[in-house]
Parts: sequence; structure tokens; C-alpha cells
Amino acid sequence: NAGVTQTPKFQVLKTGQSMTLQCAQDMNHEYMSWYRQDPGMGLRLIHYSVGAGITDQGEVPNGYNVSRSTTEDFPLRLLSAAPSQTSVYFCASSQRNRATDTQYFGPGTRLTVL
Amino acid sequence: AQSVAQPEDQVNVAEGNPLTVKCTYSVSGNPYLFWYVQYPNRGLQFLLKYITGDNLVKGSYGFEAEFNKSQTSFHLKKPSALVSDSALYFCAVRDDRGSTLGRLYFGRGTQLTVWP
Repeated sequence: NAGVTQTPKFQVLKTGQSMTLQCAQDMNHEYMSWYRQDPGMGLRLIHYSVGAGITDQGEVPNGYNVSRSTTEDFPLRLLSAAPSQTSVYFCASSQRNRATDTQYFGPGTRLTVL
Repeated sequence: AQSVAQPEDQVNVAEGNPLTVKCTYSVSGNPYLFWYVQYPNRGLQFLLKYITGDNLVKGSYGFEAEFNKSQTSFHLKKPSALVSDSALYFCAVRDDRGSTLGRLYFGRGTQLTVWP
């Protein structure tokens, strides 16, 4: 199992550009989520999905879109990048959306918006 | 509201000494508590979790954590620290109530440094 994979590892964008961060998991997990990590703030939930075709907003959804067309993939789209979106982005998955389920994280994408 | 507090931004300990990384939590329902470790330029790795039962939970790499309901704490411990334990540690809580079901709330992280 590769677990949770993310591409790219690094990305530099200019303000106003759009891009998609890719996330895939091969564990047949129903629940997937996106977090951003900023210094001194821990991780904050952007969007999540409890299964294919179902997504919902997290704590900091503005400026981001998601879709879930398959169980394996959960891409995160930045519509018009802003410097405030400079961060490290982590994708995570768990078997289901139960409070007892362990979430497994990908290696992260480090995004810089100039 | 659900929240996690890690009162120490940094913990420094000598190799071979015991270490403790502190965590307190606040949830509306039953607490489900997790510890993750992040090595430089890596993702978060799961260490251990408390769901129910024994208050002392054992996890990966010799770590353990003690759940204390009366003090709403879930401190991470290791009897003998290694230099390789140096990393950023996150405490997190999930709750089982309402619209936030399953959402994972993270503390701000504690940087552990173990010196030789």
C-alpha cells in the first residue's frame, strides 16, 4: 500500500493563478479531508468528504473547492491564489467518519503564493 | 466547543531522561484523543489514540499517553528519550456529537528537542 499520496510536493504560484493539489489513497477509505498547517496554529480543516459524491466545508473553506468523483481521489482546487494561502497542505483519510477512526496523512504540499 | 491546548511550544530534554508533552482538551461529547508526530518536512504520523478503557495507552516508538478525565488531560510520555524523538508533536481530539461528528481538532503543536 502506498497509503496517502500527494502531488506536487512543492509549488510556487503568482497571485491570481489557479491550481489543483492532488490527493489519492489506496486503502479504500470512505473519509478524506484537507488541512492546512500554518506556524503556531496547528492544522485547520479546509474541506472533507464522507464518500464519493459527498463533500462539505470545514473550518477554513474560503478560496478552495473540492470534488470527490471516486473513492480514491480528493483534489483540492485553489480558484485564485492569494498570499494568505501560502501554507503546507495535508490530505488525510480514514476508514469512515467515525470519531474513533484514525486519520492517516499524506506527506504534504508546500505552497508559496507570491 | 471542541478544542485542544498544548501549553508548551517547546520541550527540551536530555537523552535517556523521561519526557512529557502536555495536552488538555475540551469537548461536548465523549473525547477521542490522538497523538501525532511530525518529523521535519514530513507528514503527520499516528502515534496512539484513546477511545475507551484503560487510561494508559501504549503506542508506537515506546510512547504512551495517560488519559485523565477529571483533569481533561492526555499527556504524552516516554520513559527514556532518544535524540531521534526530536520532532513536532500534535495532540488532537475528535468528538461524537452533531454536525462536527468526526472532525479532528488539533493543538498548536509542541516542538520536542532531545539533546545528546
